[in-house]
Amino acid sequence: DAGVIQSPRHEVTEMGQEVTLRCKPISGHDYLFWYRQTMMRGLELLIYFNNNVPIDDSGMPEDRFSAKMPNASFSTLKIQPSEPRDSAVYFCASSLSGGAGKNIQYFGAGTRLSVL
Amino acid sequence: AQSVTQLDSQVPVFEEAPVELRCNYSSSVSVYLFWYVQYPNQGLQLLLKYLSGSTLVKGINGFEAEFNKSQTSFHLRKPSVHISDTAEYFCAVSQRENTGFQKLVFGTGTRLLVSP
Repeated sequence: DAGVIQSPRHEVTEMGQEVTLRCKPISGHDYLFWYRQTMMRGLELLIYFNNNVPIDDSGMPEDRFSAKMPNASFSTLKIQPSEPRDSAVYFCASSLSGGAGKNIQYFGAGTRLSVL
Repeated sequence: AQSVTQLDSQVPVFEEAPVELRCNYSSSVSVYLFWYVQYPNQGLQLLLKYLSGSTLVKGINGFEAEFNKSQTSFHLRKPSVHISDTAEYFCAVSQRENTGFQKLVFGTGTRLLVSP
């Protein structure tokens, strides 16, 4: 398997613009997570899905952030409008709820977002 | 709620020297414990995990960790480090949600700097 795939790897945008980050989880995994990593706050869980359904979005910082998972192989994290303080590395991760791989989260390479 | 403390934000060490990265967690109830490694400009990669059984866990790249329930610790060790071990290391503990899902709570990370 190719692992968790995120795109784009880097995104530079101007304040006020809409940003969409994309994630393809590992095939067969039923959980998907979005994290944000900054120097100040470390690694923060934003939202996670189980079987394409959002379970906990309490980590989403503001209404400007939204996430969707239309099917088992694709998820998006959208920021609209973007602000400079949203600059961070955003990670997607997936995991399998049962079997030997239970509780192990596999991370993508991340999207480095810079909002100017 | 679970919490994870990584007391050392940065650990400098010379090549071929031993190293220990410390991790303490908050709860004494049954937990799953993990160490992840993040190389520069990459996502997090699972180094090792403790789910049950032997308290000494061996991982990839010669790392090992020991689960100490009485001290609520899960310190990571390597007897002889290489330059290539330079990376950020994250300790994580599982937290059981109302849904039964085990959410991961990450520490703030320890940067291991290996110099010749």
